[in-house]
Amino acid sequence: TQLLEQSPQFLSIQEGENLTVYCNSSSVFSSLQWYRQEPGEGPVLLVTVVTGGEVKKLKRLTFQFGDARKDSSLHITAAQPGDTGLYLCAGAGANSKLTFGKGITLSVRP
Amino acid sequence: NAGVTQTPKFRILKIGQSMTLQCAQDMNHNYMYWYRQDPGMGLKLIYYSVGAGITDKGEVPNGYNVSRSTTEDFPLRLELAAPSQTSVYFCASSYSTDSSYNSPLHFGNGTRLTVT
Repeated sequence: TQLLEQSPQFLSIQEGENLTVYCNSSSVFSSLQWYRQEPGEGPVLLVTVVTGGEVKKLKRLTFQFGDARKDSSLHITAAQPGDTGLYLCAGAGANSKLTFGKGITLSVRP
Repeated sequence: NAGVTQTPKFRILKIGQSMTLQCAQDMNHNYMYWYRQDPGMGLKLIYYSVGAGITDKGEVPNGYNVSRSTTEDFPLRLELAAPSQTSVYFCASSYSTDSSYNSPLHFGNGTRLTVT
C-alpha cells in the first residue's frame, strides 16, 4: 500500500504570511496532484506534477515535485483568507490508481 | 455543463435500512469513482468503473454495491446501513487514468450520510 503523509495537519496563519506544506511518501509516484476542498464542496484540482524536480506556479501558489518523485511541497506567498480550505495531495502509482493523503487544513485569518 | 451531480445532499438512515446514492456526470467521462471521506482520514476509494458495464472494488468496498448501466450514471447502493458507514460520500469522474499524466478527478459536492 502506498501511503502519502501530509504535514502539518493543521495550520492557522495571518493574512499576508507565507507558508509551505508538504506531501511525503516512501513510494515513487508517476504523477502527483494537489486539490483544494472548501466546506460543503468536493475537492477541486489545483495542479498535476509529473516530472521529478518540476516546479509549477499558479498565481501565489508554487508546487514542487521532488527529484525522486516521492514527495511534493506547496508554497503559498502572501496568504489570503480565500486560500482557506483543505489541501489534499494524491499520488498516482504504477496501477494508475490515486492514493490520497489525509489533507492539510489551512485557516488564513484576516 | 453541470459536471458531476450527486443526490441527495443529506440523508439520515436507521441501522439496517438501505438506500442508493445517485451520481450523474455530463462530461462523457469513461471513468467514475466513489470515495468516502471521514474526518482526518482523507479520501478512501470504495468502487470504481472504467466504463459502462464494468466495475471493480477499491480499498473499502465492504457493505456497498455499484452498477454502471450507462456512461452517465454510477449509483452506490447501501444494503444494510451500519453506523460505520456514517461519512461524506463523493462521486468523481475522469477522462482517463493514463498513468503518465493522470487526468484530474472532477468531484461532485458530496452526500452527507448519518446512520443511527
